[in-house]
Amino acid sequence: KAGVTQTPRYLIKTRGQQVTLSCSPISGHRSVSWYQQTPGQGLQFLFEYFSETQRNKGNFPGRFSGRQFSNSRSEMNVSTLELGDSALYLCASSDQGILPDGYTFGSGTRLTVV
Amino acid sequence: AQSVAQPEDQVNVAEGNPLTVKCTYSVSGNPYLFWYVQYPNRGLQFLLKYITGDNLVKGSYGFEAEFNKSQTSFHLKKPSALVSDSALYFCAVRDSGSARQLTFGSGTQLTVLP
Repeated sequence: KAGVTQTPRYLIKTRGQQVTLSCSPISGHRSVSWYQQTPGQGLQFLFEYFSETQRNKGNFPGRFSGRQFSNSRSEMNVSTLELGDSALYLCASSDQGILPDGYTFGSGTRLTVV
Repeated sequence: AQSVAQPEDQVNVAEGNPLTVKCTYSVSGNPYLFWYVQYPNRGLQFLLKYITGDNLVKGSYGFEAEFNKSQTSFHLKKPSALVSDSALYFCAVRDSGSARQLTFGSGTQLTVLP
């Protein structure tokens, strides 16, 4: 089956702009989680969506938001971009049954803010 | 709160020798533990997980990990390292409760020398 698809793979934005990243999970998976990876902070949890509802949220400012559609595809949005938002953004797909599966990750979107 | 420690930033091992990448964790309830590998400019690839049952877990590419509850450890091992195993390895934990986000360690760069 197809894996987790993240688009675009690379983005360059200017400070103050906003950006939208997309994630299509594995077919049948209803949970999508987002993580930010930077050299300084490592991998940090942003938020998780399940059946169109945000179920968990990490410790990020309100500039970071997301949503999930009825087909489980998810988008995350970052407004008023700052240089420190430059990172690899990863999404993870899971069926979140009774016991967790392996959380399949996409290849990520590399965001550079200049 | 849950946390993961990977005490070694870098592990070097000769090809053909056994390798160990260390991980210790802290969670309030029962842990779900994961190992992921990341190659340059790529997402995270799932290697193995411990949910319940046998303490020795076998995963992809010949890797295995041993869950040790008393030492709160989940070290990754492989009997014979390959040059192609050189990559960044992440240990992750989540508890068995309602918070489904993964907490990652800081990562260990494994270099297998020919």
